[in-house]
Amino acid sequence: QSALTQPASVSGSPGQSITMSCTGTSSDVGGYNYVCWYQQHPGKAPKLIIYEVSNRPSGVSNRFSGSKSGNTASLTISGLQAEDEADYYCNSYTNSNTWVFGGGTKVTVL
Amino acid sequence: QVQLVQSGSELKKPGASVKVSCKASGYTFTSKGMNWVRQAPGQGLEWMGWINTDTGNPTYAQGFTGRFVFSLDTSVSTAYLQISSLKTEDTAVYYCAPSADYYFDYWGQGTLVIVSS
Repeated sequence: QSALTQPASVSGSPGQSITMSCTGTSSDVGGYNYVCWYQQHPGKAPKLIIYEVSNRPSGVSNRFSGSKSGNTASLTISGLQAEDEADYYCNSYTNSNTWVFGGGTKVTVL
Repeated sequence: QVQLVQSGSELKKPGASVKVSCKASGYTFTSKGMNWVRQAPGQGLEWMGWINTDTGNPTYAQGFTGRFVFSLDTSVSTAYLQISSLKTEDTAVYYCAPSADYYFDYWGQGTLVIVSS
């Protein structure tokens, strides 16, 4: 199972909105609504911020939103804040009954 | 509240073995499968596989067969990851993460394994 494709980096100024993509295939992202997103700050464990494409766990800011079209999922961060500077990973369930991560996107707040 | 406490950092020589533990609390251990995720230094997350905590049946991702073994001790709500014949490229942080649905809502703090001569 090949890793999902994410841009290496995305940047934005405080208050702006940014969007990052996560591209897979019909065997993973396109085949299931089981895409999730994790935020990871340096030296910390990942944190779930979006599950099942667009759902936010309790306690996660509504500035984070997710969507999907075909084989590509997207994460949007609106009202960008300094604390959003982190690595973001997408993850999808696959038709092999396995999970696959994306390579990660580093978000920089300018 | 759900807690996952992993064992401490390890420094091993090539060819040795290591066993990482992940003790769960705050939920019924056998109600969620346990996943293992690797993160090499400066690299992304890799899903290694999971173990069904009810049946003990493991599933290994491609690239994690042969030297990697998942096991359980349900009496103490603990999952284990054992890696044998360690190689320098096994140097990484290893995370455990339970899942009942199609996402990992809780994670252990991670265990750093360093393989160096």
